[in-house]
Amino acid sequence: AQSVTQLGSHVSVSEGALVLLRCNYSSSVPPYLFWYVQYPNQGLQLLLKYTSAATLVKGINGFEAEFKKSETSFHLTKPSAHMSDAAEYFCAVSDWGNYQLIWGAGTKLIIKP
Amino acid sequence: NAGVTQTPKFQVLKTGQSMTLQCAQDMNHNSMYWYRQDPGMGLRLIYYSASEGTTDKGEVPNGYNVSRLNKREFSLRLESAAPSQTSVYFCASSEVPTQRADTQYFGPGTRLTVL
Repeated sequence: AQSVTQLGSHVSVSEGALVLLRCNYSSSVPPYLFWYVQYPNQGLQLLLKYTSAATLVKGINGFEAEFKKSETSFHLTKPSAHMSDAAEYFCAVSDWGNYQLIWGAGTKLIIKP
Repeated sequence: NAGVTQTPKFQVLKTGQSMTLQCAQDMNHNSMYWYRQDPGMGLRLIYYSASEGTTDKGEVPNGYNVSRLNKREFSLRLESAAPSQTSVYFCASSEVPTQRADTQYFGPGTRLTVL
């Protein structure tokens, strides 16, 4: 069965530093891949998604993610963290023939001043 | 457009009480979902409705029932609330999936506490 692993339940970076949030999936066939962001006390909002076009996907708020088939990864990056990026980030996967999204456990991003 | 709306935003129940969480979407989506979110456990699917008139169990359906009232509305009912159902509940909607699930759009959530 498809699974999604997000390394690190909490990631802490300094303001202005690189943000790297890791996501690995288990499918042998390239799936659709999603990153969502959840700000405190809010619902989830789509950051970006990969649907087998360009491997480097740009999203909102300066985030981007790169699909690497050989590594079965879809890590989320941002060159320079802002205080407003503090939130929880979820990776999700959609497999061929599966009408449900498979969710990672989430990574809470903490920004240090 | 309001997107996906959920009512109520907060609710406190006593064990054994019942309640219905309401969800509506104005994006003309065919598919709707109910999730619960608990600390450290991510999102878990309770029930979903691929299209009007159909509902299916997700990962954690026990203790819940759903009704797809029409294309816009999808409600979640707790018949006899238990403390284990204390959680944040999210409703989501999407276009009808063709070969696979696609982008889901989420409501703001309902924070439920069962005493």
